[in-house]
Amino acid sequence: EDQVTQSPEALRLQEGESSSLNCSYTVSGLRGLFWYRQDPGKGPEFLFTLYSAGEEKEKERLKATLTKKESFLHITAPKPEDSATYLCAVSQGGSEKLVFGKGTKLTVNP
Amino acid sequence: DTAVSQTPKYLVTQMGNDKSIKCEQNLGHDTMYWYKQDSKKFLKIMFSYNNKELIINETVPNRFSPKSPDKAHLNLHINSLELGDSAVYFCATGQGLSKQYFGPGTRLTVT
Repeated sequence: EDQVTQSPEALRLQEGESSSLNCSYTVSGLRGLFWYRQDPGKGPEFLFTLYSAGEEKEKERLKATLTKKESFLHITAPKPEDSATYLCAVSQGGSEKLVFGKGTKLTVNP
Repeated sequence: DTAVSQTPKYLVTQMGNDKSIKCEQNLGHDTMYWYKQDSKKFLKIMFSYNNKELIINETVPNRFSPKSPDKAHLNLHINSLELGDSAVYFCATGQGLSKQYFGPGTRLTVT
């Protein structure tokens, strides 16, 4: 049973074309929801942590939001360097374990 | 200084062999992790150590044995390697419920 589902699996955008990535989760007792960026051949790089519904965080062209069932990663006016796989992960209950989704591969064409 | 380092970066070996992957962190974090990323890029936790003590052990075959000689190191030893063990293995560190820092990964190929 998937606890974290990301959609779409892959997304192609033109430079400047804003869009959103979705992460839905089914865990109870959410302690935190995390967004990571992974470039080919590298380890995941931390972007955001969201702890409660209604919370929002921003970094450059990225904005992450959280509801009780899902999180969105909004990308405004993306650039080719934003191309990467974006991973969502959740931590629940008394555990520090992160459960990852399968990621969304974003390609931004110039 | 690299925060989380892993060696080797690439490891090619034959079925049945035993191999080790080393991880070192200089962030002073209490907790270290091993993750496996399969060919479909799905990242899944294997083990977690806190202050040299095993706290998370997912359903991983007992051919995999983590060892933490001190708080800054967490090594992964794999016995009797199988084809299905081919993957990228990531070490990570963290402090409580906060972001985790990942190493660059070790690509293991079993032939």
